[in-house]
Amino acid sequence: GAVVSQHPSRVICKSGTSVKIECRSLDFQATTMFWYRQFPKQSLMLMATSNEGSKATYEQGVEKDKFLINHASLTLSTLTVTSAHPEDSSFYICSASFGGTYEQYFGPGTRLTVT
Amino acid sequence: AQRVTQPEKLLSVFKGAPVELKCNYSYSGSPELFWYVQYSRQRLQLLLRHISRESIKGFTADLNKGETSFHLKKPFAQEEDSAMYYCALRGQGAQKLVFGQGTRLTINP
Repeated sequence: GAVVSQHPSRVICKSGTSVKIECRSLDFQATTMFWYRQFPKQSLMLMATSNEGSKATYEQGVEKDKFLINHASLTLSTLTVTSAHPEDSSFYICSASFGGTYEQYFGPGTRLTVT
Repeated sequence: AQRVTQPEKLLSVFKGAPVELKCNYSYSGSPELFWYVQYSRQRLQLLLRHISRESIKGFTADLNKGETSFHLKKPFAQEEDSAMYYCALRGQGAQKLVFGQGTRLTINP
């Protein structure tokens, strides 16, 4: 149980275009979803926390207008990287939690490459 | 400020030897501490949490508030323990996790 999927697993886009990454909780209702970014050989950096039906809470230094997060349902959150640039190339990971335990279940990640 | 420090980026031990992955934290209140593991080509998964006080896959971790540490230990390493290990902290009443830099553990045969 508690499976989280991400789509796509890999995406290559051209500089200046936008790309959307989906995060789904497959067998539970996720009241909260989290989006992380991981640079090569580095740790996970939280970008934002998203509660269903509410605006996402972004971490300091994360551009809200560049990384648009939508959590419209209890099983789906999306991260849209707008006007992507090569420096946005990274591994993006989502996680989801439910109930009061706040245990996070992680997705497999999405490798974004901006050319 | 909340901070998690894993001083060792890489740790290599022989099979059957004891393993200790270090984790120190900085937090003014009473945090929840976790160890997450990421095996090759797999997603991040929870290994254990301090409130459970359990042993998972032979690993244990004790929260030492005096030393602000949560080191992960296993008496006899196995080859399948090779993975990336992350220590994480969650503050009181918080939802988000703060991760350490991670330690890549390699168990040599």
